[in-house]
Amino acid sequence: QVQLQESGPGLVKPSQTLSLTCTVSGGSISSGDYYWSWIRQPPGKGLEWIGYIYYSGSTYYNPSLKSRVTISVDTSKNQFSLKLSSVTAADTAVYYCARGGGFDWAHPWGQGTLVTVSS
Amino acid sequence: DIQMTQSPSSVSASVGDRVTITCRASQGISSWLAWYQQKPGKAPKLLIYAASSLQSGVPSRFSGSGSGTDFTLTISSLQPEDFATYYCQQANSFPATFGGGTKVEIK
Repeated sequence: QVQLQESGPGLVKPSQTLSLTCTVSGGSISSGDYYWSWIRQPPGKGLEWIGYIYYSGSTYYNPSLKSRVTISVDTSKNQFSLKLSSVTAADTAVYYCARGGGFDWAHPWGQGTLVTVSS
Repeated sequence: DIQMTQSPSSVSASVGDRVTITCRASQGISSWLAWYQQKPGKAPKLLIYAASSLQSGVPSRFSGSGSGTDFTLTISSLQPEDFATYYCQQANSFPATFGGGTKVEIK
């Protein structure tokens, strides 16, 4: 069964770029059957879909974050990545990667990684 | 963006109770709706998709209904492991959006 695992720094300074990677196991991003997504959840708050990518590199970003977000894919490593620039304390959240996006549901999800923006 | 409004925001219930959570979309989304369960410190888990389809491995006490703008998640007989926060999510238009969540607490 497909499993996803987020990795990356847990602490990022304000104005810097947050970078996370999601490694997929038990299935291939290159199969083309799904989109692959990033979703975040500020502590104690609700869920926000950041964006998603297809194996070909096609992306969709939430307009609320579009100017700061880049999602990329490395099919050779079966990974996809998130970069969020010019971060502020408001970007402090648990970041999840998940299979799904577009007209689809998020399933399964990675365990999530807490990223704190602080000097 | 389509706004998803869940009610109630929290509910206190006992084991064995029937619990109903509602989700209303700000515009019609056909059946493009999912329900997730989230326990503290864990990732959300898909329960229901396409408004009423039960995800594989999810107990049959969970059911979903509705279409258009009004949707319902029902737990027919609440079990101890069901105490959690539940979210609805629409996938009808971009960006996908979630409801604010409903916390099911022990009475």
